[in-house]
Amino acid sequence: AQSVTQLDSHVSVSEGTPVLLRCNYSSSYSPSLFWYVQHPNKGLQLLLKYTSAATLVKGINGFEAEFKKSETSFHLTKPSAHMSDAAEYFCVVSDRYGGATNKLIFGTGTLLAVQP
Amino acid sequence: KAGVTQTPRYLIKTRGQQVTLSCSPISGHRSVSWYQQTPGQGLQFLFEYFSETQRNKGNFPGRFSGRQFSNSRSEMNVSTLELGDSALYLCASSPATGYTGELFFGEGSRLTVL
Repeated sequence: AQSVTQLDSHVSVSEGTPVLLRCNYSSSYSPSLFWYVQHPNKGLQLLLKYTSAATLVKGINGFEAEFKKSETSFHLTKPSAHMSDAAEYFCVVSDRYGGATNKLIFGTGTLLAVQP
Repeated sequence: KAGVTQTPRYLIKTRGQQVTLSCSPISGHRSVSWYQQTPGQGLQFLFEYFSETQRNKGNFPGRFSGRQFSNSRSEMNVSTLELGDSALYLCASSPATGYTGELFFGEGSRLTVL
């Protein structure tokens, strides 16, 4: 079965410092992985996705993630945090056993706080 | 282009009642998915509809049902409400006919069951 594990439930950084949100995945074959962000009282927004085309994936708002098969990881990074980055971030894997669907399996989320 | 619209945004029900939530996808999107978000269980997939057909279903009891209309709008219904059904229900639409995983989410309908 597919699954993702987010290693930190809370991360706090200072504005202007790097962000690292960690995610490990489990999959029987090459997975499709995503990062989604949820700002307070808002729906989720896709940050980036990995679908085997390139291991370093660039997303919106300066975020990027690197797929490392040897470590089964898909960590999210950003060189310099901004106050507006404060939100909850979800690592997501697609459930492909069901064929062509959009069934997503979400991690438990990492709440990112950005201190001024 | 308008985003995914969910109504109502907030509602309060009592145990045993039933509730219907509505979702209007982004214009042109034919796939609509529903997710439940709770503090304890996180985000869980309920079901997905494409062209009025349910093409995948999560592990929820039969009290949870949904449908999609010819204009791609979707509704989900929860019957015989339980306290544990209190949650944020998120609808998402996707433009692709096949699988992409790229979903556009609405802001959700927050259901409180008393």
